[in-house]
Order: sequence, then C-alpha cells, then structure tokens
Amino acid sequence: NAGVTQTPKFRILKIGQSMTLQCTQDMNHNYMYWYRQDPGMGLKLIYYSVGAGITDKGEVPNGYNVSRSTTEDFPLRLELAAPSQTSVYFCASSYPTGRGSYEQYFGPGTRLTVT
Amino acid sequence: AQSVTQLDSQVPVFEEAPVELRCNYSSSVSVYLFWYVQYPNQGLQLLLKYLSGSTLVKGINGFEAEFNKSQTSFHLRKPSVHISDTAEYFCAVTYYGGSQGNLIFGKGTKLSVKP
Repeated sequence: NAGVTQTPKFRILKIGQSMTLQCTQDMNHNYMYWYRQDPGMGLKLIYYSVGAGITDKGEVPNGYNVSRSTTEDFPLRLELAAPSQTSVYFCASSYPTGRGSYEQYFGPGTRLTVT
Repeated sequence: AQSVTQLDSQVPVFEEAPVELRCNYSSSVSVYLFWYVQYPNQGLQLLLKYLSGSTLVKGINGFEAEFNKSQTSFHLRKPSVHISDTAEYFCAVTYYGGSQGNLIFGKGTKLSVKP
C-alpha cells in the first residue's frame, strides 16, 4: 500500500493564479480531510469528506473548494491564490474503529508559496 | 469551543535524559486522544492513542502517555531520548460522537535533543 499520496510536493504560485492539490489514498477509507499547517499554529481543518459525493467545511474553508467523486481521490482547489494561502497542506484519510474513533493517516504534504 | 493546549512550544533536552511533553484539552465529555510526530519535511505519523481502558498508553519508539480525566491532560513521556527523537509533536483530540472524527490539534511542541 502506498497509503496517502499528495502531488505536487512543492509549488510556487503568483497572486490570482489557481491550482489543484491532488490527494489519493489506496486504503479504501471513507473519510478524508484537508489541513493546512502554519508555523506555530498546528493544523487547521479546511474541508473533509465522509464518502464519495459528500463534503463539508472545516474551520478555515474560505478560498478553497473540494470535490469527492471517488473513494480514492480528494482534490483541493485554490481559486485566486492569495499570499495568506502560503502554507503546507496535508491530506489525511481515516476509518472508524470499533469504538467509534477515527485514526487518521497523513500524506507527506504539499508546500505552497504564493507571491 | 473545544481546544487543545500544548504548554511548551519548544523543549530542549540532552540525549539520554527523560522528557515530558504536556498536553491539556478542554472538555467535559468523553474523548479520544492522540499524539502525532512530525519529522522535518515529512507528514504526521501516529505515535500513540487513547481510546478507553488503561490510562497508561504505550506507543512506538519507547514513548508513552497517561490519560488523566480529572486534570484533562494527556502528557507524553519518554524515559531516555535519542537524537533521532528530534521532531515536532502534536497532541490531538476528537470527541466521542463528534463530527466524523475531526481532530482538533494543539499548536505543537518542538523537541530538540542535543548530544
């Protein structure tokens, strides 16, 4: 199993450009998440999905969009990139355990700079 | 709003010394607790988790954590650290019956092990 994979690893965008961050998991997990990580701030949830066709906003969704057409893929779209979106983005997937908890598995991250 | 507080942003320690990384959460309901480790330029890896049962939880790489419900704490400990333990450590919580396993992260503690 490759686990959770993310592409690209690095990207530099100009202000106003758009891009899609790709995320794929091969563990057949229903639940998928997008986080952003800023220095000293921990991880903030952007969007999450509980299955194909179902997505919902997290704590910091403004400026982002997602879709979930398959179980495996959960792309994150940035429209009109802004310097405030400079961050490291992590995708994660999870499954519910017998006790109703969810153990999340993380991808390696995408480092995005907007200038 | 629910929150996780990691009391130390940086912890320097000498090799082979013991270490404790502190984590407190705000909740009066049942919780699931996690510690993740992030090595430089990598994604997050699960170190250990508390779901229920014994309050002392053992994880990978010799780490352990103790759940203290009365103090709403989940401190991470290792009796003797190695240079290779240098990383950032994140405490995270999700609430029993909470929203699709969404994790709330602390801001992280950078552990720096010196020779």
